[in-house]
Amino acid sequence: DADVTQTPRNRITKTGKRIMLECSQTKGHDRMYWYRQDPGLGLRLIYYSFDVKDINKGEISDGYSVSRQAQAKFSLSLESAIPNQTALYFCATSGDSQETQYFGPGTRLLVL
Amino acid sequence: GENVEQHPSTLSVQEGDSAVIKCTYSDSASNYFPWYKQELGKGPQLIIDIRSNVGEKKDQRIAVTLNKTAKHFSLHITETQPEDSAVYFCAASPFQGAQKLVFGQGTRLTINP
Repeated sequence: DADVTQTPRNRITKTGKRIMLECSQTKGHDRMYWYRQDPGLGLRLIYYSFDVKDINKGEISDGYSVSRQAQAKFSLSLESAIPNQTALYFCATSGDSQETQYFGPGTRLLVL
Repeated sequence: GENVEQHPSTLSVQEGDSAVIKCTYSDSASNYFPWYKQELGKGPQLIIDIRSNVGEKKDQRIAVTLNKTAKHFSLHITETQPEDSAVYFCAASPFQGAQKLVFGQGTRLTINP
């Protein structure tokens, strides 16, 4: 089984809808991250969490919110989706004393 | 904050030739520089990294060089193979433990048989 899983893998939604992307990990890592990938822009950090009680804004947090339900689960929500949030979203994890971030397979989101 | 620029955006090389991807960073406090490879339909995966106290690191066919004075670092792939075709991302972290990574824009590498 994959260490970092994301659901759904693909999602089409309409402008104004609320949507949640979920991430689960079995690596036992405390740190979790949400990134957004757009062509030509690389990966940009949306939110990150270093433990269950810790939530931090990243570079592009406007329009997004997160919830760290447990050590293994970190969800990203779009309260009212807009077309420019169409992108590929990645969850990642890392250990406390480790620098390597392990990425999930991504969720492709299309907002119409 | 940190800004990472990556070039070229696309690179096409013949199988067996070498490929070089370059990145520059802006924050002199950055001290950790990983490279990630992203294959189609998958998430990025770390392939090699380097810290600011090292000038070069090699792992089989891939190597990374770092020039702290000029604030740039490069990925070198020798004897390229078809499975090297992917998107490559550089990143920099000004924080110990790579708590936050700032990524470059990515390079799509195509290996032509």
